[in-house]
Amino acid sequence: EDQVTQSPEALRLQEGESSSLNCSYTVSGLRGLFWYRQDPGKGPEFLFTLYSAGEEKEKERLKATLTKKESFLHITAPKPEDSATYLCAVQANSNYQLIWGAGTKLIIKP
Amino acid sequence: SAVISQKPSRDICQRGTSLTIQCQVDSQVTMMFWYRQQPGQSLTLIATANQGSEATYESGFVIDKFPISRPNLTFSTLTVSNMSPEDSSIYLCSVAQTGMDEQFFGPGTRLTVL
Repeated sequence: EDQVTQSPEALRLQEGESSSLNCSYTVSGLRGLFWYRQDPGKGPEFLFTLYSAGEEKEKERLKATLTKKESFLHITAPKPEDSATYLCAVQANSNYQLIWGAGTKLIIKP
Repeated sequence: SAVISQKPSRDICQRGTSLTIQCQVDSQVTMMFWYRQQPGQSLTLIATANQGSEATYESGFVIDKFPISRPNLTFSTLTVSNMSPEDSSIYLCSVAQTGMDEQFFGPGTRLTVL
């Protein structure tokens, strides 16, 4: 069965304290892995798409990486405005439906 | 990316009534989707809105409860019918140019059913 597991459920960091969020997946033929950011009361905001193992993408303080079993979202020197829930989703070659993880709630304290 | 708006942004409704949620995109898109996000949970796909034909519903969701319209490539509606408190959720529309592209989401409609 295709599934996505994100860890940790919640992460509290001090401003400037770098860390990583994990997205583990099992899917029969990965077409793409997507990272989104969601602020309270808002729709998810697209961040990255990764297609193959070894691929990396960066945006400001965020860097996403992909292996054959998991993806990491690295946050370097985070600021309070990076506080949000980060969602991971995968798409199989056989189906356009996204399979979503439960998300990691990130809190950055000033 | 497309600019997506939803109306209403929030509503409080009585049990047994229906609410229609609108999703408007500022450019033509091929794919439109409707999701539900219950409090503290991730996203669940309700259906894919197909232009000019019936929507494609996911397991656990039926047309009588969640009728969907898509009259053109920029607009769709989702109706939540005969509501109960269990329907209290955030309802989100998303769009993509193809089924294999990243999806972009609207701001959501927060529904509370009393």
